[in-house]
Amino acid sequence: AQKVTQAQTEISVVEKEDVTLDCVYETRDTTYYLFWYKQPPSGELVFLIRRNSFDEQNEISGRYSWNFQKSTSSFNFTITASQVVDSAVYFCALILDSNYQLIWGAGTKLIIKP
Amino acid sequence: DVKVTQSSRYLVKRTGEKVFLECVQDMDHENMFWYRQDPGLGLRLIYFSYDVKMKEKGDIPEGYSVSREKKERFSLILESASTNQTSMYLCASSLITGAEAFFGQGTRLTVV
Repeated sequence: AQKVTQAQTEISVVEKEDVTLDCVYETRDTTYYLFWYKQPPSGELVFLIRRNSFDEQNEISGRYSWNFQKSTSSFNFTITASQVVDSAVYFCALILDSNYQLIWGAGTKLIIKP
Repeated sequence: DVKVTQSSRYLVKRTGEKVFLECVQDMDHENMFWYRQDPGLGLRLIYFSYDVKMKEKGDIPEGYSVSREKKERFSLILESASTNQTSMYLCASSLITGAEAFFGQGTRLTVV
């Protein structure tokens, strides 16, 4: 069975600190895709990144970076120099190539204090 | 930019009413989804559709039905609304299996 675990329920940091959100997944399939989504207080889920299982290259997009390690089944998300606007709930998700259904983590609530 | 639009942001309905939640996407996506989101329970899939007139049950289809008569529109129907269906409902679409899903702004439904 597939599973996504986000062990951090809530993280609170002061603005400008770096913060890492953890995501650990379980699957026996060899072809799958991993995602991160952001849900600000307004409620809409915003797509951040998609990574396929054959691409372990880390990715950086501005202050955001993602570290994918198949050896530890982890797909962690780091925000550098956090800002108040980064406050949101962040979800990690997994989908198998053979399936339509996203498997969601429980989400991590990130609070950035000014 | 992909746009997924849900017909209402907030909705208040009475117990027993038939409720329609509409969702439209403008990017010719094959797949469309309806989720509900509740505190402590996360995102749960109600139904999805991978083509016009095709639908599959998700994890919690009881009390709901769906309709996809046109590719761009996916409707969620609460046949007889109950208070335990008070929730945030999120519609999404994706181009193909494995592609990222894009979400609408959500509909916060309250059943009284």
